[in-house]
Amino acid sequence: QVQLKETGPGLVQPTQTLSITCTVSGFSLTSYYMQWVRQTPGKGLEWMGFIRSGGSTEYNSEFKSRLSISRDTSKNQVFLKMNSLKTEDTGVYYCARDLNYGFDYWGQGVMVTVSS
Amino acid sequence: DTVLTQSPALAVSPGERVSISCRASEGVNSYMHWYQQKPGQQPKLLIYKASNLASGVPARFSGSGSGTDFTLTIDPVEADDTATYFCQQSWNDPYTFGAGTKLELK
Repeated sequence: QVQLKETGPGLVQPTQTLSITCTVSGFSLTSYYMQWVRQTPGKGLEWMGFIRSGGSTEYNSEFKSRLSISRDTSKNQVFLKMNSLKTEDTGVYYCARDLNYGFDYWGQGVMVTVSS
Repeated sequence: DTVLTQSPALAVSPGERVSISCRASEGVNSYMHWYQQKPGQQPKLLIYKASNLASGVPARFSGSGSGTDFTLTIDPVEADDTATYFCQQSWNDPYTFGAGTKLELK
C-alpha cells in the first residue's frame, strides 16, 4: 500500500538549514509528482514546491531563494532543504503525492521548531 | 497570489446537511480540491477537481462549483465529520489553501 513518512531534526536553530527526508513505498517516484506543504501557526497550510516525475522542480516564490527539493529514486526518497531558518518557519512539514488533481496521499508530518 | 476565502466555523446537528463554501480571488477553472483534517492528523483528500470523489471517501461528501465559487457538501453529517475542512487550488501559481472551516457538531 502507499505510504509516506517524513523524518527530520525536530529542533533547528535560527539561521541554520532544515533537512527533511520523505521516504515512500507502494509507488514509484518516477510516476508521480511529489509535493511539500507546511502548516504553521501564522499562515496555516502553505504550498512550498514540488518535484516532477521526471526530476525537475518548481518552488513557491515565497521560498524560492532558500528552498531546494531533490530525490533519490533508488532509495524511494524525496528531500527538502531550506536554509536561513526563522522562528516563523516553526510548524509541521508534510510531503504528499500529487494525483495531478489534488494531493491524494500525505505523510504524517514532521514537527519542526526553530529556536535557539 | 490566489486568496481562498472560507467561513471560519460552522455548527450542525448529526443527520443534517451542511455546505462549506470557498471563494477564490481569481478564477481557478475546476482545479479546486477539498481536504479534511482532524486534530493531530495529516489532511485527507475528499474531493478533487471540484466535484470528483476521492478514492474511499463516503458518498455523503460531494463538491460543486467552477471559476471562483465552490462548495463542499456533507449530507447527512455524522459525528465523525467533526474536523477542519480546507479548500486548495492548483490552477494558479503558487498553489494556495484556504484558512479552513472548522465543523462542529451540536
